[in-house]
Amino acid sequence: KAGVTQTPRYLIKTRGQQVTLSCSPISGHRSVSWYQQTPGQGLQFLFEYFSETQRNKGNFPGRFSGRQFSNSRSEMNVSTLELGDSALYLCASSETGGEVYGYTFGSGTRLTVV
Amino acid sequence: QKEVEQDPGPLSVPEGAIVSLNCTYSNSAFQYFMWYRQYSRKGPELLMYTYSSGNKEDGRFTAQVDKSSKYISLFIRDSQPSDSATYLCAMSRSGGSNYKLTFGKGTLLTVNP
Repeated sequence: KAGVTQTPRYLIKTRGQQVTLSCSPISGHRSVSWYQQTPGQGLQFLFEYFSETQRNKGNFPGRFSGRQFSNSRSEMNVSTLELGDSALYLCASSETGGEVYGYTFGSGTRLTVV
Repeated sequence: QKEVEQDPGPLSVPEGAIVSLNCTYSNSAFQYFMWYRQYSRKGPELLMYTYSSGNKEDGRFTAQVDKSSKYISLFIRDSQPSDSATYLCAMSRSGGSNYKLTFGKGTLLTVNP
């Protein structure tokens, strides 16, 4: 079956702009999580959605937001981009989110802010 | 202090060597322990997971959890060049109410032919 699909794969944006990243989960998976990966901080949890509801949120500023649609696809948005937002953004899907060993990650979106 | 600390490496070993990767953690509420492998330009993929303390073996891979010491390990026997990747430990407080993984920073492993 198809894996987790993230689009676009690469993105270059200018400071101050905003960006929207997309994640299509595995068919049947209703939980989508987002993580930011940087060399300095590693993988850090951004937020998790299930049935269009955010159930958990990490320690990121309000510039980072997300949403989930009725078909379980999810988007995350970063407004007023800063250089430090340059990172690999990963999404992971699972059936319910509770089976923590069942998360499947996408290949990520590489965001570069210049 | 970060909740999960992982030896940063990088680690370079000859083919056939036994590799030991380790993480320590500070939060005693962690119950689920996982190891992910991440190849360059790819997302992490789950290698192994264990619940609470003990050992788990899968082929050339063995995961160990010592909750009394808050220490987890991944051993790779007969390492292969195809094992060259970044290895990430991850943990979760519980299976049903937290919905998030807490990761170590990862250890870059290179297995030389």
